[in-house]
Amino acid sequence: DTAVSQTPKYLVTQMGNDKSIKCEQNLGHDTMYWYKQDSKKFLKIMFSYNNKELIINETVPNRFSPKSPDKAHLNLHINSLELGDSAVYFCASSQAGQHNYGYTFGSGTRLTVV
Amino acid sequence: AQSVTQLDSQVPVFEEAPVELRCNYSSSVSVYLFWYVQYPNQGLQLLLKYLSGSTLVKGINGFEAEFNKSQTSFHLRKPSVHISDTAEYFCAVSSYNFNKFYFGSGTKLNVKP
Repeated sequence: DTAVSQTPKYLVTQMGNDKSIKCEQNLGHDTMYWYKQDSKKFLKIMFSYNNKELIINETVPNRFSPKSPDKAHLNLHINSLELGDSAVYFCASSQAGQHNYGYTFGSGTRLTVV
Repeated sequence: AQSVTQLDSQVPVFEEAPVELRCNYSSSVSVYLFWYVQYPNQGLQLLLKYLSGSTLVKGINGFEAEFNKSQTSFHLRKPSVHISDTAEYFCAVSSYNFNKFYFGSGTKLNVKP
């Protein structure tokens, strides 16, 4: 059983399209995150949700909208895709108050905008 | 705020040689420190962590790291690397009072036969 699963694994789309990436965790964690890894491998946090509430929203364009229907799911919707959105997007989860144990990451979604 | 600096973007090394991947951090508060490994086309896996106590921490796959508070460093070491250790390694810091990780820019370890 995959602890943090993301779908799709690969996504190729044209500029201007709208797309979604889904994330689910079966660890019973109450906090989930989206990270963006650029072409230089730099990892930057985008969003964090705790029990379906947004707690971290970094300086991300408002074309990116996270949605958490329950604490086991955190989806990322991207409107009007741009070339610069091409990256690998990682979902992660942790248990609030136990962040010292680190995150559990999904295997990533490679988004290519053409 | 915290930040993490990984001084080497790439480290080439021959198989069975020792390796050290450097990590320095800055923070105005006490922190937790981590090393993650990312194999090609995969997500990040936790290698080891420093929370408190002994400054030398051991992780999976024979890796260890030493926390040095005075030098604000958390260097990762392995006495003898294998081809299978070829991967990207990320140092990360998290403060005690804020549930957020800051990652370094990564070091690509390339183990050659």
